[in-house]
Amino acid sequence: ETGVTQTPRHLVMGMTNKKSLKCEQHLGHNAMYWYKQSAKKPLELMFVYSLEERVENNSVPSRFSPECPNSSHLFLHLHTLQPEDSALYLCASSRDRTNEKLFFGSGTQLSVL
Amino acid sequence: AQTVTQSQPEMSVQEAETVTLSCTYDTSESDYYLFWYKQPPSRQMILVIRQEAYKQQNATENRFSVNFQKAAKSFSLKISDSQLGDAAMYFCAYRSTGTASKLTFGTGTRLQVTL
Repeated sequence: ETGVTQTPRHLVMGMTNKKSLKCEQHLGHNAMYWYKQSAKKPLELMFVYSLEERVENNSVPSRFSPECPNSSHLFLHLHTLQPEDSALYLCASSRDRTNEKLFFGSGTQLSVL
Repeated sequence: AQTVTQSQPEMSVQEAETVTLSCTYDTSESDYYLFWYKQPPSRQMILVIRQEAYKQQNATENRFSVNFQKAAKSFSLKISDSQLGDAAMYFCAYRSTGTASKLTFGTGTRLQVTL
């Protein structure tokens, strides 16, 4: 049990589809994060939520839309993606925004056709 | 902006041997955190070891230890008595101490462990 659970594990979608990635943490943490992991590139921070409020958006295209309904759940809504958006999307959480210890989920491997 | 460089895309070590993974970083700050994360085939990133820059003593976690050279901005990971389960991608990461800071990752080193 990792404490951070992501679903689905794999997702294949067409460029016109709408899908959502889900992340759930059972650690009582107040901060949650979305990262994008592409081959041979460093992990890229996409969004940060602290106490359900978005505190950071790193110039992510609007076709990615995050949602944090409560401190335990985080979603990433996907719409009209491009093939270059294919990547591993990792969710993470930490005790709070200032805490440097992140706990990661196992990611959703996304393929956009 | 901070950058993290891992110059070894792949490394290989025999079981029970020792291997060192390299990491360098660039920063103008004096206080920060450095991390090594492991990503096995299960894809979950797992924190291996953490170093606070103001601490001169190198961090150690069982078979994992670091060689932190602040002046050289170097942060290498040593894995002793390597085991098959150590095979994974290893990422070096940097984080400043500010409340709005974020983790900056390197591109990773793939470690193979052979019999």
